[in-house]
Amino acid sequence: TQLLEQSPQFLSIQEGENLTVYCNSSSVFSSLQWYRQEPGEGPVLLVTVVTGGEVKKLKRLTFQFGDARKDSSLHITAAQPGDTGLYLCACRMDSSYKLIFGSGTRLLVRP
Amino acid sequence: DARVTQTPRHKVTEMGQEVTMRCQPILGHNTVFWYRQTMMQGLELLAYFRNRAPLDDSGMPKDRFSAEMPDATLATLKIQPSEPRDSAVYFCASGLVQIYFGPGTRLTVT
Repeated sequence: TQLLEQSPQFLSIQEGENLTVYCNSSSVFSSLQWYRQEPGEGPVLLVTVVTGGEVKKLKRLTFQFGDARKDSSLHITAAQPGDTGLYLCACRMDSSYKLIFGSGTRLLVRP
Repeated sequence: DARVTQTPRHKVTEMGQEVTMRCQPILGHNTVFWYRQTMMQGLELLAYFRNRAPLDDSGMPKDRFSAEMPDATLATLKIQPSEPRDSAVYFCASGLVQIYFGPGTRLTVT
């Protein structure tokens, strides 16, 4: 069983559409991170959320941390083909440096 | 532009052979991670080091995998003997607060 469950697993949408992907757990985290990974490359950090209820915006991307710090969502407005990739959420366990990743959402934005 | 580098980028080997993957972390980063990525299992943490000391290698099959940091500029991951189920992309990452991933080593064991 994955500590972090991401949904949906796959998403194929048309350019210009909006979408939301989710990261859920039964555990409480001190912080949660979102990464994007493109083919042939390693994941790249997009954002870190720390406070329950926190909302952060990165251009057309909006990240929210749940009030109970057990879940998070990523909303993309007016998706573009350049948004195509694997979106991963990750958390640190307790006070360790160990970073655990979710299963990922594979996004395809069609022109 | 500082980056994590990994060599080789691709490796094809036969079952039973030894495989060594190398990583050069970003200078000054004191935490180094090794991850393995497959379609089935996603991104799994194998081991990580802080200030060159291994903190956790519970994700690694101990009988065949070993991870070391001979010095602050080099981390290695060895598999001996390799098996087809080890086929995956192996990522090294380094960081202080934020972590940065290398481009990965794509390993194929036939």
